[in-house]
Amino acid sequence: GAVVSQHPSRVICKSGTSVKIECRSLDFQATTMFWYRQFPKQSLMLMATSNEGSKATYEQGVEKDKFLINHASLTLSTLTVTSAHPEDSSFYICSARGGAARAFFGQGTRLTVV
Amino acid sequence: DQQVKQNSPSLSVQEGRISILNCDYTNSMFDYFLWYKKYPAEGPTFLISISSIKDKNEDGRFTVFLNKSAKHLSLHIVPSQPGDSAVYFCAASAGSNFGNEKLTFGTGTRLTIIP
Repeated sequence: GAVVSQHPSRVICKSGTSVKIECRSLDFQATTMFWYRQFPKQSLMLMATSNEGSKATYEQGVEKDKFLINHASLTLSTLTVTSAHPEDSSFYICSARGGAARAFFGQGTRLTVV
Repeated sequence: DQQVKQNSPSLSVQEGRISILNCDYTNSMFDYFLWYKKYPAEGPTFLISISSIKDKNEDGRFTVFLNKSAKHLSLHIVPSQPGDSAVYFCAASAGSNFGNEKLTFGTGTRLTIIP
C-alpha cells in the first residue's frame, strides 16, 4: 500500500508552548488529508479534513484557532497544537488519500503536555 | 454519542481456532464498513470492507458479515495465527463513497492469539 509518514512519533512539550506534527505522503499525491485524535480507551475521532490548497474543514467541537492545519502541498500537511495544555495530551494520527482512492494512515504522534 | 461500538475491549483465541470480532452501530445512514488492524507504534492498516448492499465479504482468512437489520457486523478470522495479534478497529462511513470520506471508528478490540 501507499506510504504515509508522520513525524514526530512522540513529543513532550511544556504547557503553553506550540507543537507541530507533520504528515507526509511519500509515494503519492495526497489531495485530501484527515487528522484524528484518540484519547485513552476511546475511539479515533476525526478532527478535521483538509484539501490541498484550501482551508481545513473542522468537526464540531474542534477549535480551529487551537489546532492549526496547513495543507500547502500535495505531499505535506501539518497540524500545529497552539498553546498546548495537559488536556491536549493525546494520540494524533493523520491519514491521506489521493483522489478517490482509499486513505492510508500515518504512524501517529503521542503528544504529552506537561 | 458513540455511533460505532466494539463492546469487547479484548479477546484471546487459541491459534488455529476462529476469532470473531464484533461491532455494532447506531447510525442508519452508514453504508460502508471497514475493518482496520493496528500494531503498536504503527498506524491502522486496512483489512477488509463491506458495502451495505452486501451481507458478506471474504478475503482469504478474513470474512466480514453485515446484518443491517441488527446494525451489527462481525469479522471472522480463520484459522487464527500469532501474527493476527493486534488491535482491530471497526469503522463506518456514510455517503456511498466506499469509505473514502469521514470515518467513524469504534474503540477497538485487542486480539491475542495464543500459540
